[in-house]
Amino acid sequence: GAVVSQHPSRVICKSGTSVKIECRSLDFQATTMFWYRQFPKQSLMLMATSNEGSKATYEQGVEKDKFLINHASLTLSTLTVTSAHPEDSSFYICSAVGQLNEAFFGQGTRLTVV
Amino acid sequence: DAKTTQPPSMDCAEGRAANLPCNHSTISGNEYVYWYRQIHSQGPQYIIHGLKNNETNEMASLIITEDRKSSTLILPHATLRDTAVYYCIVRAGNTGNQFYFGTGTSLTVIP
Repeated sequence: GAVVSQHPSRVICKSGTSVKIECRSLDFQATTMFWYRQFPKQSLMLMATSNEGSKATYEQGVEKDKFLINHASLTLSTLTVTSAHPEDSSFYICSAVGQLNEAFFGQGTRLTVV
Repeated sequence: DAKTTQPPSMDCAEGRAANLPCNHSTISGNEYVYWYRQIHSQGPQYIIHGLKNNETNEMASLIITEDRKSSTLILPHATLRDTAVYYCIVRAGNTGNQFYFGTGTSLTVIP
């Protein structure tokens, strides 16, 4: 199947700093990518839809100024958590939509804000 | 929002078939049924998807009822590595449409 690479897999940052997470589709072009957040023992919660060359669409309750999304090319989308706080600690997962309209997911990024 | 209902947990003996049900009674005519699974602390893995016909691939089979209001994912010979949370998702087939995850079924394969 198609490969989606997410980097970093794990990051620890200080409260108040910003963290950038990259999501790359390695062997296909993705006009649409999705960003999810998952808290322990819970399901994936969609945060935003990232479309190449246009502004991201955020789900209700997700702060667009806090979670900055950039989808500058057909193979790369980035999520920046700005001014991170301990409550932003979570597992962040990206996905990219393939040619047959199936979504392929990255391996996730474990963010810990201390 | 998720439009599916799945049992929260199931057990299956190793080597036996695992049959995971999913109800999607409000599915629309242009919506596909997708199945993903997530092993602890990893990103979800695509398994299979279908519209109305039954589908089979190297991982699993997908059986969709004629009225499309429910489906069953079948893992023909479950192994310990199949222990995971399985998610059933309905989604229209356009590229930009979102994948909303419900609570899924936690499958435990027992030796």
